Amino acid sequence: GAGVSQSPRYKVAKRGQDVALRCDPISGHVSLFWYQQALGQGPEFLTYFQNEAQLDKSGLPSDRFFAERPEGSVSTLKIQRTQQEDSAVYLCASSLEVGLAGVGRETQYFGPGTRLLVL
Amino acid sequence: AQKITQTQPGMFVQEKEAVTLDCTYDTSDQSYGLFWYKQPSSGEMIFLIYQGSYDEQNATEGRYSLNFQKARKSANLVISASQLGDSAMYFCAMRVNYGQNFVFGPGTRLSVLP
Repeated sequence: GAGVSQSPRYKVAKRGQDVALRCDPISGHVSLFWYQQALGQGPEFLTYFQNEAQLDKSGLPSDRFFAERPEGSVSTLKIQRTQQEDSAVYLCASSLEVGLAGVGRETQYFGPGTRLLVL
Repeated sequence: AQKITQTQPGMFVQEKEAVTLDCTYDTSDQSYGLFWYKQPSSGEMIFLIYQGSYDEQNATEGRYSLNFQKARKSANLVISASQLGDSAMYFCAMRVNYGQNFVFGPGTRLSVLP
């Protein structure tokens, strides 16, 4: 079966441009997560969807960041008026479900990431 | 707040030897899941192994095993018979509660020497 796919794999943007990053999760996975990973660091949570509902967006660094998952499958992370500090790898992950932690149906499977460079 | 600590920024191991990567976690929740991921230079996060807080046995997946010591809040990854392809960053992660994201540690860079 197909894994999580992301596009584009690489994106170079001029400061001030808008960008859109796409994530196609594993079919049937209810939960979808976006993370931001700076160079040499672990991923940091941005936002979480259960089906089409965005249940947590507490990690979005500013109101320039916006995410959607209108039909409960493909998700798009949009960054408006990009800044140099937005340069990072953006990782998308999906899981079967979320529920009681520790019972084994919560493993997140990650896509290859989109490497964003803002000049 | 939940936190993952990985105290080894870098580790070296000789090919075919075993290596242990340390991970300690901090949470007051009783229900949580612990994960290890491998991130090679290509950038993709590859799931390796999972341990649930209710699991009484240590998890094993092929050459990977997780040394889970609940009282000490540690979840160390053991890689047996290291291979050159094991050279990568390794991240420990934790999830607690409903709807919660993963919290990742800072990672350990493992280098396997021929």
